[in-house]
Amino acid sequence: TQLLEQSPQFLSIQEGENLTVYCNSSSVFSSLQWYRQEPGEGPVLLVTVVTGGEVKKLKRLTFQFGDARKDSSLHITAAQPGDTGLYLCAGLQTGANNLFFGTGTRLTVIP
Amino acid sequence: NAGVMQNPRHLVRRRGQEARLRCSPMKGHSHVYWYRQLPEEGLKFMVYLQKENIIDESGMPKERFSAEFPKEGPSILRIQQVVRGDSAAYFCASSPNTFNYGYTFGSGTRLTVV
Repeated sequence: TQLLEQSPQFLSIQEGENLTVYCNSSSVFSSLQWYRQEPGEGPVLLVTVVTGGEVKKLKRLTFQFGDARKDSSLHITAAQPGDTGLYLCAGLQTGANNLFFGTGTRLTVIP
Repeated sequence: NAGVMQNPRHLVRRRGQEARLRCSPMKGHSHVYWYRQLPEEGLKFMVYLQKENIIDESGMPKERFSAEFPKEGPSILRIQQVVRGDSAAYFCASSPNTFNYGYTFGSGTRLTVV
C-alpha cells in the first residue's frame, strides 16, 4: 500500500499548455513538499506547504495543500520544455523522523 | 558553499563484493538521510542519522546493510555481499534540524551489481 499516490504517473504535453499533478493520501501530514528531479541528479526542493488550504506560487507553478492536509496539487501554467522532469511530492507525518515520498509524475513538455 | 556531496557517482561491484557509499552533508547540517531509488520509482527511505547516532533505520534491510555518521568525516552507507537486487541509485540528503522544511539532496551514487 502506497502512502502517497501521485497522478498521473506519466504526462506528455505541448509547450504552452497547462497541467495539474495530484498527490493524494488517506493520511494527514504536518507538512508536504514538492521536488523536481532531472535524469542523473538528485531531487531539488521546489516548495514546502504546512497549513491546510495554503497556496504558494513560484513563477508559473502553483502549489496547494488540501484543507485536511491529506492531499496537494501542483499546477503549471504555460508549460515549457525546461519543466520536463520527475515531480515528487513528499510528506512528513506528525512525530515521524523522515519524509515519505510519492510515486512520482514524469512530465515531458514537447517543444 | 558546497551542497551535499556524494561519491562515487557511479560504482560497479561484482556479486559478493562490498559497496561503500559516502555522503558529506551541507555545512551546518547535522541530520543525514539515505534513500534508495529504483528505476522509474520514487524514493524509499532507508536510514536517518545524526552525528554518531542512528535515529531511525526502519527502512534499511536488517542484513548486509549498515550506516554510520562519525563525529569526523562523511556518512557511510555500507552494503556487504552485494546482490543484483541492490542495483539502484542511492541518494543522501541533509537538513539543519528536525523540523524538516526541506531536504537538500546530493546527486546520488548509482550502484550496479554485475
